[in-house]
Amino acid sequence: GENVEQHPSTLSVQEGDSAVIKCTYSDSASNYFPWYKQELGKGPQLIIDIRSNVGEKKDQRIAVTLNKTAKHFSLHITETQPEDSAVYFCAASGSYGQNFVFGPGTRLSVLP
Amino acid sequence: SQTIHQWPATLVQPVGSPLSLECTVEGTSNPNLYWYRQAAGRGLQLLFYSVGIGQISSEVPQNLSASRPQDRQFILSSKKLLLSDSGFYLCAWSREGGRAHEQFFGPGTRLTVL
Repeated sequence: GENVEQHPSTLSVQEGDSAVIKCTYSDSASNYFPWYKQELGKGPQLIIDIRSNVGEKKDQRIAVTLNKTAKHFSLHITETQPEDSAVYFCAASGSYGQNFVFGPGTRLSVLP
Repeated sequence: SQTIHQWPATLVQPVGSPLSLECTVEGTSNPNLYWYRQAAGRGLQLLFYSVGIGQISSEVPQNLSASRPQDRQFILSSKKLLLSDSGFYLCAWSREGGRAHEQFFGPGTRLTVL
Protein backbone atom coordinates (compact mmCIF):
# COMPACT_ATOMS: atom_id res chain seq x y z
CA GLY A 1 0.00 0.00 0.00
CA GLU A 2 0.85 3.66 -0.10
CA ASN A 3 3.37 5.13 2.35
CA VAL A 4 3.88 8.86 2.78
CA GLU A 5 6.86 10.40 4.53
CA GLN A 6 7.07 14.06 5.51
CA HIS A 7 9.99 16.25 6.56
CA PRO A 8 10.80 18.11 8.67
CA SER A 9 8.64 17.21 11.66
CA THR A 10 9.11 20.70 13.11
CA LEU A 11 10.09 23.93 11.40
CA SER A 12 10.70 27.39 12.84
CA VAL A 13 11.10 30.41 10.60
CA GLN A 14 11.23 34.15 11.11
CA GLU A 15 8.23 36.16 9.97
CA GLY A 16 8.67 37.12 6.33
CA ASP A 17 10.93 34.17 5.51
CA SER A 18 9.92 31.19 3.35
CA ALA A 19 9.03 27.72 4.59
CA VAL A 20 9.34 24.48 2.64
CA ILE A 21 7.89 21.11 3.63
CA LYS A 22 8.67 17.99 1.63
CA CYS A 23 6.81 14.71 1.21
CA THR A 24 7.60 11.48 -0.58
CA TYR A 25 5.17 8.74 -1.56
CA SER A 26 5.62 5.13 -2.61
CA ASP A 27 2.68 4.23 -4.87
CA SER A 28 3.27 5.37 -8.43
CA ALA A 29 -0.49 5.03 -9.08
CA SER A 30 -1.30 7.88 -6.66
CA ASN A 31 -2.54 10.86 -8.62
CA TYR A 32 -3.90 13.41 -6.18
CA PHE A 33 -1.85 15.23 -3.54
CA PRO A 34 -3.57 17.61 -1.11
CA TRP A 35 -2.05 19.70 1.65
CA TYR A 36 -3.96 20.40 4.84
CA LYS A 37 -3.45 22.95 7.62
CA GLN A 38 -4.58 22.05 11.11
CA GLU A 39 -4.87 24.62 13.87
CA LEU A 40 -4.92 23.52 17.48
CA GLY A 41 -8.09 21.64 18.42
CA LYS A 42 -9.63 21.94 14.97
CA GLY A 43 -10.14 19.71 11.96
CA PRO A 44 -7.68 19.95 9.04
CA GLN A 45 -8.51 22.35 6.21
CA LEU A 46 -7.33 22.04 2.64
CA ILE A 47 -4.97 24.81 1.60
CA ILE A 48 -3.84 23.60 -1.82
CA ASP A 49 -3.84 20.44 -3.90
CA ILE A 50 -2.26 19.15 -7.09
CA ARG A 51 -3.01 16.36 -9.53
CA SER A 52 -0.43 14.24 -11.26
CA ASN A 53 -0.88 15.92 -14.63
CA VAL A 54 0.44 19.21 -13.23
CA GLY A 55 3.96 20.03 -12.05
CA GLU A 56 3.29 23.17 -10.04
CA LYS A 57 0.36 25.11 -8.65
CA LYS A 58 0.27 28.49 -6.90
CA ASP A 59 -2.28 30.29 -4.78
CA GLN A 60 -1.04 33.65 -3.51
CA ARG A 61 1.73 32.90 -0.96
CA ILE A 62 1.34 29.14 -1.22
CA ALA A 63 2.67 26.84 -3.93
CA VAL A 64 3.00 23.10 -4.39
CA THR A 65 5.43 21.31 -6.71
CA LEU A 66 5.22 17.70 -7.82
CA ASN A 67 7.95 15.47 -9.23
CA LYS A 68 6.26 12.25 -10.36
CA THR A 69 9.46 10.60 -11.45
CA ALA A 70 11.05 11.01 -8.04
CA LYS A 71 7.70 10.58 -6.26
CA HIS A 72 7.97 13.64 -4.11
CA PHE A 73 6.02 16.86 -3.69
CA SER A 74 6.64 19.99 -1.68
CA LEU A 75 4.73 22.85 -0.07
CA HIS A 76 6.22 26.33 -0.31
CA ILE A 77 4.97 29.21 1.80
CA THR A 78 6.47 32.62 1.07
CA GLU A 79 6.38 35.78 3.22
CA THR A 80 5.33 33.77 6.25
CA GLN A 81 3.08 35.36 8.85
CA PRO A 82 2.38 34.36 12.48
CA GLU A 83 -1.05 33.07 11.45
CA ASP A 84 0.69 30.50 9.26
CA SER A 85 1.76 28.73 12.47
CA ALA A 86 -0.01 25.35 12.51
CA VAL A 87 0.53 21.68 11.73
CA TYR A 88 0.66 20.89 8.02
CA PHE A 89 -0.16 17.48 6.56
CA CYS A 90 0.50 16.17 3.10
CA ALA A 91 -1.45 13.26 1.66
CA ALA A 92 -1.48 11.02 -1.38
CA SER A 93 -4.47 9.32 -2.90
CA GLY A 94 -4.62 5.54 -2.82
CA SER A 95 -4.46 3.51 -6.01
CA TYR A 96 -8.27 3.55 -6.28
CA GLY A 97 -8.39 7.25 -5.63
CA GLN A 98 -10.91 7.45 -2.81
CA ASN A 99 -8.72 7.13 0.24
CA PHE A 100 -5.82 9.23 1.37
CA VAL A 101 -2.66 8.25 3.17
CA PHE A 102 -1.45 11.18 5.26
CA GLY A 103 2.08 12.10 6.19
CA PRO A 104 2.89 12.42 9.91
CA GLY A 105 2.70 16.22 9.84
CA THR A 106 5.01 19.23 10.21
CA ARG A 107 4.61 21.71 13.03
CA LEU A 108 5.41 25.14 11.60
CA SER A 109 6.16 28.02 13.95
CA VAL A 110 6.49 31.52 12.52
CA LEU A 111 8.38 33.72 14.95
CA PRO A 112 7.51 37.43 15.01
CA SER B 1 -23.12 25.11 0.83
CA GLN B 2 -22.02 21.94 2.52
CA THR B 3 -21.38 21.60 6.25
CA ILE B 4 -20.24 18.73 8.42
CA HIS B 5 -21.12 18.34 12.08
CA GLN B 6 -19.66 16.15 14.77
CA TRP B 7 -20.75 15.62 18.33
CA PRO B 8 -19.96 15.60 21.06
CA ALA B 9 -17.00 17.98 20.87
CA THR B 10 -15.32 16.41 23.91
CA LEU B 11 -15.97 13.21 25.80
CA VAL B 12 -14.45 11.61 28.88
CA GLN B 13 -15.34 7.95 29.34
CA PRO B 14 -14.18 5.18 31.70
CA VAL B 15 -12.48 2.06 30.39
CA GLY B 16 -15.01 -0.58 29.46
CA SER B 17 -17.86 1.85 28.73
CA PRO B 18 -19.59 2.05 25.33
CA LEU B 19 -19.02 4.79 22.77
CA SER B 20 -21.12 6.48 20.12
CA LEU B 21 -19.83 9.40 18.06
CA GLU B 22 -22.02 10.93 15.40
CA CYS B 23 -21.24 12.76 12.19
CA THR B 24 -23.73 14.35 9.81
CA VAL B 25 -23.25 16.14 6.52
CA GLU B 26 -25.57 18.75 5.04
CA GLY B 27 -25.86 20.16 1.56
CA THR B 28 -24.71 17.18 -0.49
CA SER B 29 -25.98 13.77 -1.53
CA ASN B 30 -24.27 10.39 -1.72
CA PRO B 31 -21.05 11.58 -0.09
CA ASN B 32 -18.15 9.30 0.70
CA LEU B 33 -17.69 9.36 4.47
CA TYR B 34 -14.58 8.73 6.55
CA TRP B 35 -13.58 8.28 10.19
CA TYR B 36 -10.01 9.14 11.18
CA ARG B 37 -8.22 8.99 14.51
CA GLN B 38 -5.41 11.33 15.43
CA ALA B 39 -3.26 10.49 18.45
CA ALA B 40 -1.64 13.42 20.28
CA GLY B 41 1.01 15.03 18.08
CA ARG B 42 0.57 12.43 15.36
CA GLY B 43 -0.85 12.12 11.88
CA LEU B 44 -4.27 10.98 10.75
CA GLN B 45 -5.06 7.28 10.67
CA LEU B 46 -7.99 6.21 8.51
CA LEU B 47 -10.30 3.92 10.49
CA PHE B 48 -13.36 3.44 8.27
CA TYR B 49 -14.78 4.72 5.02
CA SER B 50 -18.17 4.36 3.39
CA VAL B 51 -19.32 4.90 -0.19
CA GLY B 52 -23.02 4.36 0.57
CA ILE B 53 -25.67 3.42 3.11
CA GLY B 54 -24.74 0.22 4.89
CA GLN B 55 -21.40 -0.01 3.05
CA ILE B 56 -18.50 0.15 5.50
CA SER B 57 -14.85 -0.67 4.88
CA SER B 58 -12.40 -1.00 7.72
CA GLU B 59 -8.77 -0.04 7.28
CA VAL B 60 -7.35 -1.43 10.51
CA PRO B 61 -8.47 -4.12 12.95
CA GLN B 62 -9.55 -2.54 16.20
CA ASN B 63 -12.00 -2.20 19.02
CA LEU B 64 -14.24 0.15 17.04
CA SER B 65 -17.03 -0.23 14.50
CA ALA B 66 -18.84 2.13 12.15
CA SER B 67 -22.31 2.31 10.71
CA ARG B 68 -24.08 4.43 8.11
CA PRO B 69 -27.80 4.22 8.78
CA GLN B 70 -28.63 7.17 6.50
CA ASP B 71 -27.02 8.74 3.46
CA ARG B 72 -25.48 11.63 5.37
CA GLN B 73 -25.02 10.08 8.81
CA PHE B 74 -21.94 8.20 9.95
CA ILE B 75 -21.58 6.73 13.43
CA LEU B 76 -18.48 5.44 15.22
CA SER B 77 -19.09 2.99 18.04
CA SER B 78 -17.47 0.74 20.57
CA LYS B 79 -18.96 -1.76 22.98
CA LYS B 80 -16.08 -1.49 25.48
CA LEU B 81 -13.55 1.32 25.35
CA LEU B 82 -9.83 0.74 25.91
CA LEU B 83 -7.28 3.26 27.16
CA SER B 84 -5.68 3.15 23.71
CA ASP B 85 -8.91 4.46 22.15
CA SER B 86 -8.15 7.95 23.47
CA GLY B 87 -7.55 10.47 20.72
CA PHE B 88 -9.00 13.08 18.43
CA TYR B 89 -11.63 11.60 16.12
CA LEU B 90 -12.31 13.30 12.83
CA CYS B 91 -15.11 12.69 10.39
CA ALA B 92 -14.69 13.74 6.76
CA TRP B 93 -16.66 13.64 3.54
CA SER B 94 -15.82 13.82 -0.14
CA ARG B 95 -17.80 13.82 -3.37
CA GLU B 96 -18.77 10.44 -4.75
CA GLY B 97 -16.95 9.00 -7.71
CA GLY B 98 -13.81 7.10 -8.58
CA ARG B 99 -11.61 10.18 -8.93
CA ALA B 100 -9.91 11.45 -5.81
CA HIS B 101 -11.49 14.59 -4.42
CA GLU B 102 -10.82 16.97 -1.58
CA GLN B 103 -11.91 15.63 1.78
CA PHE B 104 -13.71 18.10 4.05
CA PHE B 105 -13.16 17.55 7.74
CA GLY B 106 -15.47 18.12 10.66
CA PRO B 107 -14.43 19.91 13.88
CA GLY B 108 -13.52 16.65 15.62
CA THR B 109 -14.30 14.92 18.91
CA ARG B 110 -11.65 14.70 21.60
CA LEU B 111 -12.08 11.41 23.45
CA THR B 112 -10.31 10.69 26.73
CA VAL B 113 -10.59 7.20 28.15
CA LEU B 114 -9.67 6.97 31.83
